[in-house]
Amino acid sequence: DVKVTQSSRYLVKRTGEKVFLECVQDMDHENMFWYRQDPGLGLRLIYFSYDVKMKEKGDIPEGYSVSREKKERFSLILESASTNQTSMYLCASSFHGPGQGKNIQYFGAGTRLSVL
Amino acid sequence: AQKITQTQPGMFVQEKEAVTLDCTYDTSDQSYGLFWYKQPSSGEMIFLIYQGSYDEQNATEGRYSLNFQKARKSANLVISASQLGDSAMYFCAMREGLNTGGFKTIFGAGTRLFVKA
Repeated sequence: DVKVTQSSRYLVKRTGEKVFLECVQDMDHENMFWYRQDPGLGLRLIYFSYDVKMKEKGDIPEGYSVSREKKERFSLILESASTNQTSMYLCASSFHGPGQGKNIQYFGAGTRLSVL
Repeated sequence: AQKITQTQPGMFVQEKEAVTLDCTYDTSDQSYGLFWYKQPSSGEMIFLIYQGSYDEQNATEGRYSLNFQKARKSANLVISASQLGDSAMYFCAMREGLNTGGFKTIFGAGTRLFVKA
């Protein structure tokens, strides 16, 4: 079974803190993604990575950065957390390339972040 | 413009009945894939079913089927014989550029399904 593990289910942080959200996958997937989920807006892509040390901005990258030093691990960083970053954060991974068929994204259980 | 539209924020269905969750999409790409995911209250997104734009037959996976109408750009999810465990949020999603290794998947706003006993 594919497993995508997010380090925390719930986090409470203060405004201005630096926040790290960690994600690890065990299926040797090339692609990894970070989304945020807000009611009525569905999932919005923050960043994705298609290889180690490679990253691409998604639709809402402002206020976030990412790190991918190892293939299995993709970290989302909030340099200075703000209250409007209170949200559910979901990590996903998938195989890469057209030869991989559906390229289904497999998701972690999510991290619910509250910034006070 | 919205690329994925789910017009039903919430729906109720009686246990053991079938239910259709609507999804329309907008793309000019010829090669794309359509996905449905389920998100129970636990939070994890669970892949349900996939339809490729070139697939001639509607996809089916157990009690799930995808009613794909390409000309109308709709990809409705049909759940047959609803169960209480089907109560969840359901997301329709699309990935464009499949034949060029497109990465980005776009999600709709979701439909919350309530199954009544």
